[in-house]
Amino acid sequence: AQSVTQLDSHVSVSEGTPVLLRCNYSSSYSPSLFWYVQHPNKGLQLLLKYTSAATLVKGINGFEAEFKKSETSFHLTKPSAHMSDAAEYFCVVSDSGGGTYKYIFGTGTRLKVLA
Amino acid sequence: EAQVTQNPRYLITVTGKKLTVTCSQNMNHEYMSWYRQDPGLGLRQIYYSMNVEVTDKGDVPEGYKVSRKEKRNFPLILESPSPNQTSLYFCASSLWIRDYEQYFGPGTRLTVT
Repeated sequence: AQSVTQLDSHVSVSEGTPVLLRCNYSSSYSPSLFWYVQHPNKGLQLLLKYTSAATLVKGINGFEAEFKKSETSFHLTKPSAHMSDAAEYFCVVSDSGGGTYKYIFGTGTRLKVLA
Repeated sequence: EAQVTQNPRYLITVTGKKLTVTCSQNMNHEYMSWYRQDPGLGLRQIYYSMNVEVTDKGDVPEGYKVSRKEKRNFPLILESPSPNQTSLYFCASSLWIRDYEQYFGPGTRLTVT
């Protein structure tokens, strides 16, 4: 079965500094991976996805992520944090093997941006 | 406007009183799913549906039922709610599985006393 581990439950950065949110996955075959963002009291919005094309994926609002098969990682980065980036971020893997068709979410990383 | 709608948005109920949370999408998506979100646990999948009359269990199906009689609708049924089902619930839909983005509804906050 697939699984996702988000290595940090909380991350704090200063405005204008880089953001790194870490995600490791386990998969017995080539996965599809996603990052979603949830702003306070809002629904979830897709930031970006990896679907076995380019390993460096660019998303909305300046975010990007790199798929590294050798490290089983899909870390989310942004060069310069903005106050509006404060939210909870979820790494997600699509589990569509063995007759199941599930999405597996990580436990989330809450990003705090300090002025 | 393409969207997933859920009703009600907020619900307070008592233990054992049957309830239904509705979910509807207008994007002609094949795949629909229900999740619950609890602090520190992320989102966990309750049930999903690949098409009309095709449903399957997610990771936390106990105490829930679903049905998919029409492609656009995927209601979540709690036949005998208990306090441990107090949670934030999200419905989502996608064109298909694996490579496809899920679109999420606004959420339903359920409190069972």
